[in-house]
Formats: sequence, C-alpha cells, structure tokens
Amino acid sequence: KAGVTQTPRYLIKTRGQQVTLSCSPISGHRSVSWYQQTPGQGLQFLFEYFSETQRNKGNFPGRFSGRQFSNSRSEMNVSTLELGDSALYLCASRSAGFGNTIYFGEGSWLTVV
Amino acid sequence: TQLLEQSPQFLSIQEGENLTVYCNSSSVFSSLQWYRQEPGEGPVLLVTVVTGGEVKKLKRLTFQFGDARKDSSLHITAAQPGDTGLYLCAGEGGSNYQLIWGAGTKLIIKP
Repeated sequence: KAGVTQTPRYLIKTRGQQVTLSCSPISGHRSVSWYQQTPGQGLQFLFEYFSETQRNKGNFPGRFSGRQFSNSRSEMNVSTLELGDSALYLCASRSAGFGNTIYFGEGSWLTVV
Repeated sequence: TQLLEQSPQFLSIQEGENLTVYCNSSSVFSSLQWYRQEPGEGPVLLVTVVTGGEVKKLKRLTFQFGDARKDSSLHITAAQPGDTGLYLCAGEGGSNYQLIWGAGTKLIIKP
C-alpha cells in the first residue's frame, strides 16, 4: 500500500510569509501527526489529529496550526514565518489503538530566508 | 508532563565495537518504540516492546523494556557502518495515545 505522502518536498519562503504543507496518510489511518525537526536534532511534536479533531498538541506558538479533512488528509500552516522556522516538517500516520506503528513521510524541507 | 530522557545524545565508535543507548522516564508507558532515521528520510520503526521485561532481538540489535515499563535500552553488538543514523525512542501513554519522544542518539560507526 502507498506510504505517507507529503507535499511539497522542498520550498523556500521569505520571512513574514505563510506556508501550507500537505500530508496524505496511509489508507485507513485516521491519526495524523506533525513534527518539526531541525538539522541533527530529534523530533519536536507539533500536533496530532484523529478523525478531524486535534487530539494532542505540542508547545508551539499559535502561528502553527493544522487541520484534518474527512478523508484523513491533513494540512499544517505556519503564518508570519521566522528564520527559526526553517526545518524539516515530518508528517506521520498510524491506525487507532495502542502500540501501532507510526509511519513517517519523507518530509517537507522548509527554508525561510 | 511525561518526559523521556535518551542518552547518549551523540556516539562515535569504531566498527566492531558494542554500544548501548538508553531511554529513561519516571512515567509508565503502555508501549515503547525504537526508530532509526537516515539523513533525508523519515524515521522507520525498528521494534515495539509492550511487556515489562520484554527482550526483542533484531539481528545484532537487542531491545529491552524495563520491568516497570519506564525505561528501555537498545544494544548493538559488533556495530557496522551501516548502523550509522539517528536512533529515536518513543513511549506511548496517556488517555490520548500520545507518543513521547526522546531527543535522539546520533550514532556514527567509523570503518
């Protein structure tokens, strides 16, 4: 089955602009999570959506937002971009229940100049 | 707030050596997962442990879940350059199935 698909793969934005990233989860997966990863660092959890509802949220400012559609596809938006927002943004999906594998996409590389 | 402390953060060793990575918490997890990430890619699951005291082996990798389900370790025997990568642990707990992530261990195996 198809994996987690993220678009775009690479993008460059100017400080102050806003950006929207898209994620298509594995078919049948209702949970979609978003993570920020800076070079050489671990994962910083942004938020998780399950059945169109935000189930968990990390400690990021309100400039970071997301949503999930009825087909489980998800988008995240970052407004008023700052240089420090430059990072790899990873989307992950998993099926419901404990202990289930989380599958990651290849990520969207965002550079803010 | 649940925390998962992963150590060491960075490890550079010679091919053939053994190593252990630790993930520790004061919280109990219902499961703990280990992932490996290579540059330019998303993390990929290595193993999930769910039972206290559980030991799982994946070729030269041995994973252990603590008896109290608060800690876990990853032991690599005779490390090879192909083991190079970022290793991440993630504990699952709470009513919302939230995953708590360790900060990661960057492992470099030199030939």
